[in-house]
Amino acid sequence: GAVVSQHPSWVICKSGTSVKIECRSLDFQATTMFWYRQFPKQSLMLMATSNEGSKATYEQGVEKDKFLINHASLTLSTLTVTSAHPEDSSFYICSARDGGGIGNQPQHFGDGTRLSIL
Amino acid sequence: AQTVTQSQPEMSVQEAETVTLSCTYDTSESDYYLFWYKQPPSRQMILVIRQEAYKQQNATENRFSVNFQKAAKSFSLKISDSQLGDAAMYFCAVIIQGAQKLVFGQGTRLTINP
Repeated sequence: GAVVSQHPSWVICKSGTSVKIECRSLDFQATTMFWYRQFPKQSLMLMATSNEGSKATYEQGVEKDKFLINHASLTLSTLTVTSAHPEDSSFYICSARDGGGIGNQPQHFGDGTRLSIL
Repeated sequence: AQTVTQSQPEMSVQEAETVTLSCTYDTSESDYYLFWYKQPPSRQMILVIRQEAYKQQNATENRFSVNFQKAAKSFSLKISDSQLGDAAMYFCAVIIQGAQKLVFGQGTRLTINP
């Protein structure tokens, strides 16, 4: 089956540091990847849609300069949390869909990254 | 815009019994897809089952089945012979044909009592 690898799984860093999270589709090409944020006991909140070779589309209320997204290849998207602060601490999950974004193809999720900012 | 509502924040069931998780959605589109995802304590999102809106037959996957009522915009998940490994958060989701974004419900936390 389709596998999405997300790295790192857990990161702890000091306030003011920038943190990069990688999302890779291992056995399929993903023209579109998605980045979610999840607070404890809550649902997934879509942050942005990452399109290969073009700028990401951010959801309302998500700071583009805070959460930089790059989708340079068909198998890799990165999310960089710039100048992270304690309020950025959360669980971040990426997903990717094979089949060129056709609706009936399910999204395959990475295992998530737990980000803790001290 | 599409919305998904899961009205049961928490549910519990005895091991080996059957439980049904409810989900309603709202969309003006006629062509869309529905999904149930499971998120165990490991927090990995796992696809449980999916349903195409144009299909009248309810989807089934082993112990998991859905009751899809298109007119009522309802998409409930039935888990038969519940097992301890079924304990997780369950999210209902919808995506419109041609769209990219998956819209999730608030989730239902399912506890299995031994």
